[in-house]
Amino acid sequence: EVQLVESGGGLVQPGRSLKLSCAASGFTFSNYYMAWVRQAPKKGLEWVATISTSGSRTYYPDSVKGRFTISRDNAKSSLYLQMNSLKSEDTATYYCARHGGILRAPFAYWGQGTLVTVSS
Amino acid sequence: VQMTQSPSYLAASPGESVSISCKASKSISNNLAWYQEKPGKANKLLIHSGSTLQSGTPSRFSGSGSGTDFTLTIRSLESEDFAVYYCQQYNEYPPTFGGGTKLELK
Repeated sequence: EVQLVESGGGLVQPGRSLKLSCAASGFTFSNYYMAWVRQAPKKGLEWVATISTSGSRTYYPDSVKGRFTISRDNAKSSLYLQMNSLKSEDTATYYCARHGGILRAPFAYWGQGTLVTVSS
Repeated sequence: VQMTQSPSYLAASPGESVSISCKASKSISNNLAWYQEKPGKANKLLIHSGSTLQSGTPSRFSGSGSGTDFTLTIRSLESEDFAVYYCQQYNEYPPTFGGGTKLELK
């Protein structure tokens, strides 16, 4: 059974940093592109970052480019999101998601999310 | 690519059939997915490639469309179907989602 379990969320002040983790199991982690998707309170879903199978290629929307860094450790079946210079508008539940085996694929599996609150 | 879903809210009764529309601001071929969101559960991929049911999706769900106009139809609603539904295009980056449709019990 595919499982994605996020951790690392919490309350953080504007301008500070936070690192999220996602532990994956139930599939061969190194075979899949992985992503982070977020959902602000009472808002829709927003894609945040994607990383290739080897980690050599990463993709971001303009809203987080230069502030967020996605990475992975295939030996540990783990995905990470380093978030720097956090803003109030980054407040959201962050979901770890598994793509298909290629970049242009839907998010086949999701975790239950970890809440990040950016506030002073 | 902007994705516009309608309606935002939909009230129906068990046994009824409902349809949700999703329109893309430009052609996305058939690179469209539908997801179900329920409280306390991980989001679930229901349909990909516009009309292909993901493994485990009940056959009462169906998807149609290509290009810019897509529809999710749920026949004979069951109690577990009351949830929020999102469409998403993955034809080009950034992948984008519709605003969601909340399907409520009438």
